[in-house]
Amino acid sequence: DVKVTQSSRYLVKRTGEKVFLECVQDMDHENMFWYRQDPGLGLRLIYFSYDVKMKEKGDIPEGYSVSREKKERFSLILESASTNQTSMYLCASRPGANQPQHFGDGTRLSIL
Amino acid sequence: QKEVEQNSGPLSVPEGAIASLNCTYSDRGSQSFFWYRQYSGKSPELIMFIYSNGDKEDGRFTAQLNKASQYVSLLIRDSQPSDSATYLCAGSYSNYQLIWGAGTKLIIKP
Repeated sequence: DVKVTQSSRYLVKRTGEKVFLECVQDMDHENMFWYRQDPGLGLRLIYFSYDVKMKEKGDIPEGYSVSREKKERFSLILESASTNQTSMYLCASRPGANQPQHFGDGTRLSIL
Repeated sequence: QKEVEQNSGPLSVPEGAIASLNCTYSDRGSQSFFWYRQYSGKSPELIMFIYSNGDKEDGRFTAQLNKASQYVSLLIRDSQPSDSATYLCAGSYSNYQLIWGAGTKLIIKP
């Protein structure tokens, strides 16, 4: 079974802090994704990576950056956390195009 | 603009009946489709995916794809209360991304 592990289930940070969310997959998948999910807004793509050191902006990249130095790890960085970034963050991976995505358990992030 | 549309529901179905969930998509370039189930507070989990026109069955679940009419559906036979969840439909395009529907909330009434 595919295992996608997110570093924290719940996280509380303060406004202005730099926040790191980590995601690791164990299936040698090429593609990795970061989404946020808010009530009534569905899944929104922040960034995705199709290979090591390669990244592309999704629909809502503002205020975020990402890092993929190794194939198995994809990090999401909130440069200066703000209250409107309080959300559920979901990491996903998949082998390649047209393949299913597999999700981690999610990180519920609260910015106070 | 590529879009995947779902009725947000809630769709209420009696226990033991067939639940039918539908999804339409705007771009004929979509190559494959995925159904995910998401319980409240949890992450989406893959139920089925379908690439070709027609039906694909897996246990109590059947996915149907009609590319000419641009719709995808998911049938759940013998619905159980544990099937109550939000069901997300997604279409895959060549630029690595999935286009997600907003989800349909399904309620199975005992």
